[in-house]
Amino acid sequence: AQTVTQSQPEMSVQEAETVTLSCTYDTSESDYYLFWYKQPPSRQMILVIRQEAYKQQNATENRFSVNFQKAAKSFSLKISDSQLGDAAMYFCAYRSAEEYGNKLVFGAGTILRVKS
Amino acid sequence: GAVVSQHPSRVICKSGTSVKIECRSLDFQATTMFWYRQFPKQSLMLMATSNEGSKATYEQGVEKDKFLINHASLTLSTLTVTSAHPEDSSFYICSAWAAFLREQFFGPGTRLTVL
Repeated sequence: AQTVTQSQPEMSVQEAETVTLSCTYDTSESDYYLFWYKQPPSRQMILVIRQEAYKQQNATENRFSVNFQKAAKSFSLKISDSQLGDAAMYFCAYRSAEEYGNKLVFGAGTILRVKS
Repeated sequence: GAVVSQHPSRVICKSGTSVKIECRSLDFQATTMFWYRQFPKQSLMLMATSNEGSKATYEQGVEKDKFLINHASLTLSTLTVTSAHPEDSSFYICSAWAAFLREQFFGPGTRLTVL
């Protein structure tokens, strides 16, 4: 079974600074997807960024980028120029590409606090 | 887009009663929907996978007679918490698989409080 580990229960960052959230995963599959989701106080899950395992290039979405290290099974999220609206709980998630409409496996989450 | 709604957003009920939560995909058809439970400051725990026209697949440790799931149409799945007790109080989130985007989209969640 696949597992996702987020070892940082909480992180803090100063506004306009950069922060990196860590995520490692374990799988025996070769083809899969990795995600970072944001859950603000409203508790609506928002997809931040998605990485396909067969793509070597790291995904980027504006101020959000990932460092995907397939061999090390590591998938960290970098948030640049942090904003107060980035404060939320962030979840790393894994999904197998081998089945259609497959379920997500979530990490425990990291609470990100942004200081003004 | 791919919008998923949940109803109700909040519900308070007495112990022993049953509560139904609806999950709708508003602008797409979803053959598969997922139900999650989330405690404060914790991760989402998958309860079951709901497939249109067939029985739901429950995760280990989830009581299927306690949490009844029905996926009767391509846009609606329901979760019924039967004979609810205070320990069932939680935040319940659904998601729907949007095949055309190959992605899951989440509903806004339902906060259940059992008195």
